[in-house]
Amino acid sequence: EDQVTQSPEALRLQEGESSSLNCSYTVSGLRGLFWYRQDPGKGPEFLFTLYSAGEEKEKERLKATLTKKESFLHITAPKPEDSATYLCAVQVYQKVTFGTGTKLQVIP
Amino acid sequence: DAGVTQSPTHLIKTRGQQVTLRCSPKSGHDTVSWYQQALGQGPQFIFQYYEEEERQRGNFPDRFSGHQFPNYSSELNVNALLLGDSALYLCASSLAGGRDQPQHFGDGTRLSIL
Repeated sequence: EDQVTQSPEALRLQEGESSSLNCSYTVSGLRGLFWYRQDPGKGPEFLFTLYSAGEEKEKERLKATLTKKESFLHITAPKPEDSATYLCAVQVYQKVTFGTGTKLQVIP
Repeated sequence: DAGVTQSPTHLIKTRGQQVTLRCSPKSGHDTVSWYQQALGQGPQFIFQYYEEEERQRGNFPDRFSGHQFPNYSSELNVNALLLGDSALYLCASSLAGGRDQPQHFGDGTRLSIL
């Protein structure tokens, strides 16, 4: 069965303090790995898709990377508005399996 | 450009009742997926609809059923509601294509079972 594990469960950073979130996965036939951001009371907001090991994507202060077993979401010099839950998901055929997320809090 | 819209936003039901949730996909999208998200958990895949057919299903009982209409909108039906069905139900739409397209989510329907 497809499995996605995210760590840490929660992360508290000072504004400007860079860090990384981890997503490890076990799937057969990965078609894509996705990162989403979810704010309280809202649906997940799409950030990145990664398809193959070695691929990297960047958007503002966020950078996502992919290996054969895990993905990292690097946050550089975060701001309070980056506070949210970050979800990782993998797609096999039409089924998308999500991790439980990392709740990020950035303190001014 | 309207995103994914879901209705209603909140719903309260009692055990044993039936419920129907509705979803309009993002303009230009033809595929709709439904997810259940319990508090503090990631979304869990219920099923996906494409061309009015259920294309794949997650580990949910037959009490959960769906439908997709010719205009690509979709409904999720849940029968014989249980307390454990209380959750946020999310609809996501995407465009079917050769390279897997990211899903765009609505803000969900919060279902509470008393």
